[in-house]
Amino acid sequence: GESVGLHLPTLSVQEGDNSIINCAYSNSASDYFIWYKQESGKGPQFIIDIRSNMDKRQGQRVTVLLNKTVKHLSLQIAATQPGDSAVYFCADYAGGTSYGKLTFGQGTILTVHP
Amino acid sequence: DTEVTQTPKHLVMGMTNKKSLKCEQHMGHRAMYWYKQKAKKPPELMFVYSYEKLSINESVPSRFSPECPNSSLLNLHLHALQPEDSALYLCASSRPSGGLRDTQYFGPGTRLTVL
Repeated sequence: GESVGLHLPTLSVQEGDNSIINCAYSNSASDYFIWYKQESGKGPQFIIDIRSNMDKRQGQRVTVLLNKTVKHLSLQIAATQPGDSAVYFCADYAGGTSYGKLTFGQGTILTVHP
Repeated sequence: DTEVTQTPKHLVMGMTNKKSLKCEQHMGHRAMYWYKQKAKKPPELMFVYSYEKLSINESVPSRFSPECPNSSLLNLHLHALQPEDSALYLCASSRPSGGLRDTQYFGPGTRLTVL
């Protein structure tokens, strides 16, 4: 079936660097994408979202880019800090199904070294 | 306030026990969800409630029984579980918007261990 997935399972950066986490999706009907951060022992925390009528959205230190042509999503974190170390999941609502069914990618482990 | 609370934080139970997980939100959300997450895996949807009615059951075994007593509360009743059911159980809620999609806000989860 169609799914959301990630290119890289792990990413290791130095404090202060910019981080880019990538996500590929295959469902052309996907119209809403969310990035979550999950720290060890905690539930996923909403970071930022984007709808398919946009190609870029910015938050505090984070930017999400959506390229519908190649079905690619990325999360950019500026000036990465040790507190950003976590697993990052992209997720989307499966197109053509009810609104409740959010599908997660496999996750990228981000490690920030001081 | 985007807080979803879950109790207990940790639960250890035997295969013959009956226990319940609880979830609460006071954001006025009318959609609530149960997810199961195994170690180093993404969350997997189990159940969706919309306006207190079960709208999605992802073919979950009957030893898991959800209940939505009111718009703020969601329970997951557990009975005769297996060791492979050990996982982090996450609750989430969202504001249903008709045909649009809405952000799901997650609780901290209940870490369940089945002996």
